[in-house]
Amino acid sequence: DAEITQSPRHKITETGRQVTLACHQTWNHNNMFWYRQDLGHGLRLIHYSYGVQDTNKGEVSDGYSVSRSNTEDLPLTLESAASSQTSVYFCASSDRTGYEQYFGPGTRLTVT
Amino acid sequence: DAKTTQPPSMDCAEGRAANLPCNHSTISGNEYVYWYRQIHSQGPQYIIHGLKNNETNEMASLIITEDRKSSTLILPHATLRDTAVYYCIVRVRAGGETSGSRLTFGEGTQLTVNP
Repeated sequence: DAEITQSPRHKITETGRQVTLACHQTWNHNNMFWYRQDLGHGLRLIHYSYGVQDTNKGEVSDGYSVSRSNTEDLPLTLESAASSQTSVYFCASSDRTGYEQYFGPGTRLTVT
Repeated sequence: DAKTTQPPSMDCAEGRAANLPCNHSTISGNEYVYWYRQIHSQGPQYIIHGLKNNETNEMASLIITEDRKSSTLILPHATLRDTAVYYCIVRVRAGGETSGSRLTFGEGTQLTVNP
């Protein structure tokens, strides 16, 4: 069955370190998204991509970057981790219609 | 995308229908109503969407008022596993590489199904 996976599921890192969170989907979807969710709040869009070599900034993109070299993967990089980036990160994908987004299980990141 | 307003929390008895309201008074003619839910610690899950007609699938029913300014998500026989945060989202229909594919999540409604 097709799926979307994220790794690692849990990560603890130190302030100033570079961190990369992986997202892999086997739906062959064109669209991929990264969201963050802070305790007690809804999801906020970080970056998104509509296809290979395409990336776009979301509402909270500062301090994050993404690259899309193939259809299946959209890694999220924190260039220099900050304590304010402690959060749960969700990856999602959808086909071109965008009607339904499929979400991964999330990565819980703690920056100390 | 139109702004939505949902009650922060609701309770429902197990086996009863859960009716979750959403106001979207500034919705445009080309905007759809989507519902997602998020069970604790999991990624959000798509439930249903509609434009102006009522919709039903295996999970829920969506009732949209005639003026489209509000809608109600109905879980006909709520179970304990339906306890989750429910998000009502309004956005344009996506097609190809358009901004309509993005979702803007509000705070949602915490539905608690009680035994």
